[in-house]
Amino acid sequence: DVVMTQSPLSLPVTLGQPASISCRSTQSLVYSDGNTYLNWFQQRPGQSPRRLIYQVSNRDSEVPDRFSGSGSGTDFTLRISRVEAEDVGVYYCMQDTHWPRTFGQGTKLEIK
Amino acid sequence: EEYLTESGGALVQPGGSLRLSCGASGFPLDIYNMNWVRQAPGKGLEWISYISITSNIIYYADSVKGRFTISRDNAENSVFLQMNSLRDDDTAVYYCAREGSLGMWGQGTLVTVSS
Repeated sequence: DVVMTQSPLSLPVTLGQPASISCRSTQSLVYSDGNTYLNWFQQRPGQSPRRLIYQVSNRDSEVPDRFSGSGSGTDFTLRISRVEAEDVGVYYCMQDTHWPRTFGQGTKLEIK
Repeated sequence: EEYLTESGGALVQPGGSLRLSCGASGFPLDIYNMNWVRQAPGKGLEWISYISITSNIIYYADSVKGRFTISRDNAENSVFLQMNSLRDDDTAVYYCAREGSLGMWGQGTLVTVSS
C-alpha cells in the first residue's frame, strides 16, 4: 500500500499568518493518464470531512483562495496564505492513484 | 441542494451484522462512483470500500475484505454496506463519499461494536 506521511502533525499558527502542511507518498502518484491524484481534506471539529483540493492544485468550489496546493510525484504541500479562525481543524491528504486509497495521519491546525 | 445521508448505525455485539445505507438527495447517484470511509473515535480517516457506477468494479480495504460487502441500487439512489462478523475495532463513524476523489461526504453514521 502507498503510505502517506504528513508533517507536522500539530500546527499552531497565529491568526493572519501563513501555514504549510507537507504530504509525502512512498510511491509516485502520477497515474497512467498523466494526472496526479492527490487530494486535501479539511475536517472542522464535529464536522464531516470536506474536500479542499483535488489533483494536487485544483480548489473545490467555495473554497477560499487563501488555500492552495502544489507538488508533484511524491512530494506535496497545502498552503494557507493567511490563517483565519474558521481554518481550525484537522487536514488530511489522500491519494486516489493507487488501490487501496490511503490517507495521511492528519495535521491538527490550531490558533496560537 | 445536493447531499448524502447515511443511516443504519447502531450498537451491535461482536460477531454481529449491520447494514448501512447511503441515500443521495438533489442529484442522481447513478452517474457517480461511490465510497465508504470510516473514522474510529479520535482517529484519522480510513477508506474501506469503492463501487463503480454499474457495480462492475468493487474494491475493499484488507481490514474489511471478506466481512463487508458494498452494493448499490441506482433506482433507489442508494448505496449500501453490509457488515458481517463485526469486531471491536470496527467501531467508527462511517461516511459515504461521492466520486473516486471523495468530492462530497455525508454526515456519517456511528457504528459501535461492543458487548
